[in-house]
Amino acid sequence: DVKVTQSSRYLVKRTGEKVFLECVQDMDHENMFWYRQDPGLGLRLIYFSYDVKMKEKGDIPEGYSVSREKKERFSLILESASTNQTSMYLCASSLDRTSGANVLTFGAGSRLTVL
Amino acid sequence: DQQVKQNSPSLSVQEGRISILNCDYTNSMFDYFLWYKKYPAEGPTFLISISSIKDKNEDGRFTVFLNKSAKHLSLHIVPSQPGDSAVYFCAALKSRGSTLGRLYFGRGTQLTVWP
Repeated sequence: DVKVTQSSRYLVKRTGEKVFLECVQDMDHENMFWYRQDPGLGLRLIYFSYDVKMKEKGDIPEGYSVSREKKERFSLILESASTNQTSMYLCASSLDRTSGANVLTFGAGSRLTVL
Repeated sequence: DQQVKQNSPSLSVQEGRISILNCDYTNSMFDYFLWYKKYPAEGPTFLISISSIKDKNEDGRFTVFLNKSAKHLSLHIVPSQPGDSAVYFCAALKSRGSTLGRLYFGRGTQLTVWP
C-alpha cells in the first residue's frame, strides 16, 4: 500500500514563527498536494506539484510556500504563522496526471494550532 | 466559486437503512467523480469512483449514480452501518487540460448512522 507520512501529527506554534510541515510518500508518485481542512469549508487546495522543483498555486496559496527538492518529499512552509492558519493540514499524492481516475492517497494529517 | 457542492452538511440514518449522499457540480469538463470518507483525526480514504461515460458504479454496499444532464451524483450506502459514520467528500476531476490530476472537493457531508 502507498504510504503518505506527515512528520508531525500535532504542532503548537506562536504567531510570527516559521513553520515547516513535511510530507513523504514511498511509492514513486509524481503528484503531491497540500490541502487544509476547516469545519464547513471542506478540503481547500493550497499548493500542488507535478514534478521535482515544480509547484503550482491552488485556491488559497497566500501565506504559504512549498518546496519539492526530491520526488518523494513535499514540504509546506508558513513563513510567518498567523492565527487564521490554525487548521488541519493534509498532504496527498497520486501516481501521475495521465491516469483517468486520479486517486489521491492522503496522509493522516497535521493539526496546527497558532497561538 | 465552488465547482463541486454538497448542500447537506449532515445526514442521520438508522442502522440497516439506506444512506443517500448528494453532490452537484457546475463544470461540464469534469469526467471523473470520486467519493472519499474521512474519520476524525485521520486522512480521507478513497471509497469509490465513476467515469462520466457511466451512470452507475457499484462496490459492495456502496453505489454511485451519475446524472450528467443534471450535473448531479449520489452515493448510496445499503445497508448503513454505525462504522459508516464519517464525513463524506465528493470530488471531481478533469482528465484533460492544464489542471490534469487536480481534484475539486465539495465541503463534505457528516453521516451519522445510529443503532
